[in-house]
This record gives sequence, C-alpha cells and structure tokens, in this order.
Amino acid sequence: GAVVSQHPSWVICKSGTSVKIECRSLDFQATTMFWYRQFPKQSLMLMATSNEGSKATYEQGVEKDKFLINHASLTLSTLTVTSAHPEDSSFYICSAILPLSINEQFFGPGTRLTVL
Amino acid sequence: SQKIEQNSEALNIQEGKTATLTCNYTNYSPAYLQWYRQDPGRGPVFLLLIRENEKEKRKERLKVTFDTTLKQSLFHITASQPADSATYLCALLDGGSQGNLIFGKGTKLSVKP
Repeated sequence: GAVVSQHPSWVICKSGTSVKIECRSLDFQATTMFWYRQFPKQSLMLMATSNEGSKATYEQGVEKDKFLINHASLTLSTLTVTSAHPEDSSFYICSAILPLSINEQFFGPGTRLTVL
Repeated sequence: SQKIEQNSEALNIQEGKTATLTCNYTNYSPAYLQWYRQDPGRGPVFLLLIRENEKEKRKERLKVTFDTTLKQSLFHITASQPADSATYLCALLDGGSQGNLIFGKGTKLSVKP
C-alpha cells in the first residue's frame, strides 16, 4: 500500500513553455503532499507543501507564480512550471503522507525535466 | 537553521562486510530521524525511523542508532550485498512544520562482489 505515482516520468520542453507534473496517491487519500526538487549530487530541497483544498505553502526562495501548485482532490496534486528556463531543469519529486501521520513520507518516482 | 551533514559522499565496501554511514545534525535534536534509500533516477524509499528516546532500531540487516548528545545517527547494513548499492539519505523533521523533512545530500554506497 501507500503508492505514489508521478506523470510524466520525464519531459523535455522548449524554453518559455509551461510543463505540468502530476502526483497521485494511488491507494490512499493524502491531505498533504510535498514537492521537492533535486539537482545532481544534491539533497532533496523542499519547494512547497500542498494541502487539499487550500493554497500551497512555499519555501523561502521558491516563486509561487512560477511554480503553480494545485491540490484539487485528496489523491492528486499538480505542479506547473510556468515559462520554464534551462535553470529549471531538475528532478522533481512529490511525496505524500498518510492521514494523521507525519512519520513517513511516500515518494513518487520523480519527473526529470529538461528545458532546452 | 538546522543542517544535516552526511560526511561521506561515497563509500565503497566489499560484499559481506558491514557498511556504516554517518549523519550529523547541527542544531536542535529532532523528535525523530529517518533514513531513506534512493536509487538513480528514482524517488527515495523509506527504510527506518528512530525517535529521540530510542538508542537503536533494527530491521532485518539494517540497524540505526541515534545519539542526541553527539547529534549523530549511524546507519549500518550488515552482510552487505551488491543489491544494497544505492544512495542513502538521512532526514529529520523540520521543527514546527507539518511534516516537512530536511534531507542530507546522501552517501552513495557501492558494494563490490
């Protein structure tokens, strides 16, 4: 149980375009999901916390107008990278926690974004 | 602010030996500390959680210790196998948050046959 999926697994786009990444909890309802970014040989950096039915909470330094997060249902959160630039190229990973539990995060397989 | 240091970027050991990975944190002692495994191009997978009042936690060939005096956790894999080769991440809960984790950079373990 507690499986999280992401789609797409990889995407290549042109500079200036927008890309949407989906994160789904397949067998449980996730009121809270997290979005991370990981550059090569670096640690996972939390970008934002996504709460179902409310606005996302962004970490310092993350532009909320550039990284749009929508958590419209208990099983789906989306991250849209707007007007992508090459420096946005990274590995984007989402995670979810079980209701009433913050002890363990279940991570998706990640999405590799390459902006040309 | 809290920082996590995993001192070894890479660790190479022979199959059958015990791998020991180190995680140090700099500030307050967290309520608990977690270890994850991450394979290339994949998301992390939860392995173990150890609470601040626990000295040691075991799961099959894995053992984790937590020393709040030293502000350190050790992660051991006994009888290591080539399949254990991966990057291991240490993480702790960001104080006052709703489950936000702070991750170390990880240690890449390579187990040679």
